[in-house]
Amino acid sequence: SQKIEQNSEALNIQEGKTATLTCNYTNYSPAYLQWYRQDPGRGPVFLLLIRENEKEKRKERLKVTFDTTLKQSLFHITASQPADSATYLCALLINDYKLSFGAGTTVTVRA
Amino acid sequence: GAVVSQHPSWVICKSGTSVKIECRSLDFQATTMFWYRQFPKQSLMLMATSNEGSKATYEQGVEKDKFLINHASLTLSTLTVTSAHPEDSSFYICSAWGTGQRIILNSPLHFGNGTRLTVT
Repeated sequence: SQKIEQNSEALNIQEGKTATLTCNYTNYSPAYLQWYRQDPGRGPVFLLLIRENEKEKRKERLKVTFDTTLKQSLFHITASQPADSATYLCALLINDYKLSFGAGTTVTVRA
Repeated sequence: GAVVSQHPSWVICKSGTSVKIECRSLDFQATTMFWYRQFPKQSLMLMATSNEGSKATYEQGVEKDKFLINHASLTLSTLTVTSAHPEDSSFYICSAWGTGQRIILNSPLHFGNGTRLTVT
């Protein structure tokens, strides 16, 4: 069966450090992978998309890598700030234009 | 652009009653919208795909008679939870591809802010 797994439920880090989140998938061959941010009681907000032929994508302090051999994406938040505290979700497109999500990793950045 | 508005943001209802949740695309037209459900500390689970002018497509295990979906216009989809029970208490979120009628597969999905349903 198809699975999307995010390595840890929670990640606590000190302000200024880099947070690294992992998304692993099985039985998919996605053309691309997306990352979203979700704050408590709110809907997810799109952050980044990376295509299968891209190794790395950056947006401000965010960096995403995509290794189709390992079936893994890494999501990095550099120079983290308390405002980065949220749940981060990875998502893959499955058939019929539908997105399937991982369970998310909740990041808490301590001041 | 590509704003999705969901209403109400929270609702409390008694067991056995029905609740309607609205999802609107404010600045674009959406032929397809998606309804997700999310339990605490769990992933978003796709419930159904709402298609304008036709029947919704439900995911396996989702009761279509319990979760009625209507997509009568290009900017509005509604989800009605019928005969709600406490186990239906959850966070319901709608979404749409922001590209409107023409879905571009590498575009982001835009979400509403969700509806917290509590059935007592």
